Amino acid sequence: AQSVTQPDIHITVSEGASLELRCNYSYGATPYLFWYVQSPGQGLQLLLKYFSGDTLVQGIKGFEAEFKRSQSSFNLRKPSVHWSDAAEYFCAVGATGGFKTIFGAGTRLFVKA
Amino acid sequence: DGGITQSPKYLFRKEGQNVTLSCEQNLNHDAMYWYRQDPGQGLRLIYYSQIVNDFQKGDIAEGYSVSREKKESFPLTVTSAQKNPTAFYLCASKGFGGSSTEAFFGQGTRLTVV
Repeated sequence: AQSVTQPDIHITVSEGASLELRCNYSYGATPYLFWYVQSPGQGLQLLLKYFSGDTLVQGIKGFEAEFKRSQSSFNLRKPSVHWSDAAEYFCAVGATGGFKTIFGAGTRLFVKA
Repeated sequence: DGGITQSPKYLFRKEGQNVTLSCEQNLNHDAMYWYRQDPGQGLRLIYYSQIVNDFQKGDIAEGYSVSREKKESFPLTVTSAQKNPTAFYLCASKGFGGSSTEAFFGQGTRLTVV
């Protein structure tokens, strides 16, 4: 069965430090992978997506993610975190055979001054 | 501007009452979804619809009902059979392309049982 695992429930980084959020997926074929961000009390906004081709994907707000098939991972990175990046981040995979999207449990990012 | 509108933003329900959450989209998307979000549990799929007049149960459909009479609208009713309805509810839609397209989300409705 398809699944998405985000091993870190929450992460705290200092403003200006680099960030990496982990995501592992279980999928039988080439996956469609997404990262979303959610501010408190708001809906989800797409940061970036991977379908095929270049394994390093650039997104909005200075984020990027790298698809590694050998590790079944799609980790999200940002070189320098801003206080406004504090939010919850969800990794997701597009399921085969239909219109479903499977979401991870999310990682909450805290940014300290 | 195109997007998804959920209303109301906050909703309070008394024990034993049914309540309906509204979701409207003007993106001309075929597929629409309802998710429930609880702290630490990510998003769980309640119902989804790929086309007008058709919908399927998701992972946690018990105690909920939906209708899809118009392409633009996908209301969710939380019935009295839902024993723990307090949660944040998110509506989403997707265009043609199925699994390969991203979902667009509304701003959510926070439902509280009082």
